[in-house]
Amino acid sequence: DAKTTQPNSMESNEEEPVHLPCNHSTISGTDYIHWYRQLPSQGPEYVIHGLTSNVNNRMASLAIAEDRKSSTLILHRATLRDAAVYYCILRDVNYGQNFVFGPGTRLSVLP
Amino acid sequence: EAGVAQSPRYKIIEKRQSVAFWCNPISGHATLYWYQQILGQGPKLLIQFQNNGVVDDSQLPKDRFSAERLKGVDSTLKIQPAKLEDSAVYLCASSLRPVETNEKLFFGSGTQLSVL
Repeated sequence: DAKTTQPNSMESNEEEPVHLPCNHSTISGTDYIHWYRQLPSQGPEYVIHGLTSNVNNRMASLAIAEDRKSSTLILHRATLRDAAVYYCILRDVNYGQNFVFGPGTRLSVLP
Repeated sequence: EAGVAQSPRYKIIEKRQSVAFWCNPISGHATLYWYQQILGQGPKLLIQFQNNGVVDDSQLPKDRFSAERLKGVDSTLKIQPAKLEDSAVYLCASSLRPVETNEKLFFGSGTQLSVL
């Protein structure tokens, strides 16, 4: 499985944008980049995914570097409810790989 | 739409006892997963079912863990006998299809197991 590297923790102020980085220097051409987050005492939930182009949805934006060796999850306006562990996962659909979760980034949002 | 249901929410047992967890996936979801999440770590896949057949159980400690998915719907995960290192949150997830570019996993809230 291709590996990802994320900072252990980050802090943000409420109502400010948050940029969560993920490095994946060994990414293959068919690896999709997925982001999940896990709120306290809950199971992980889907946030966003992409392959090459930047992606937007109602929760967040995903910015993918041109060489695809890194990506950034962007929360445009952090709320207290966004405090969670964020997981960046690579998944090669061609090989039917399962989702392999690393330790993720613990995001704290300060009021 | 109802989510993935798991029970019990919490379980405390002594080592060498047995325990079982139950999962009801989202209706119509063909694929069901059991993950183990130890405190401070990301979830680790234990077993994946496609309908009622096992697709991947390579990380399931088969000497003590077993799982089944009857009629391709509900699933149970059993540990017998439990060890102290089995203390973790056991998460069930389901997805509509196993190999899709936009496949999303939907997780339940998990069962927190404490082995004393």
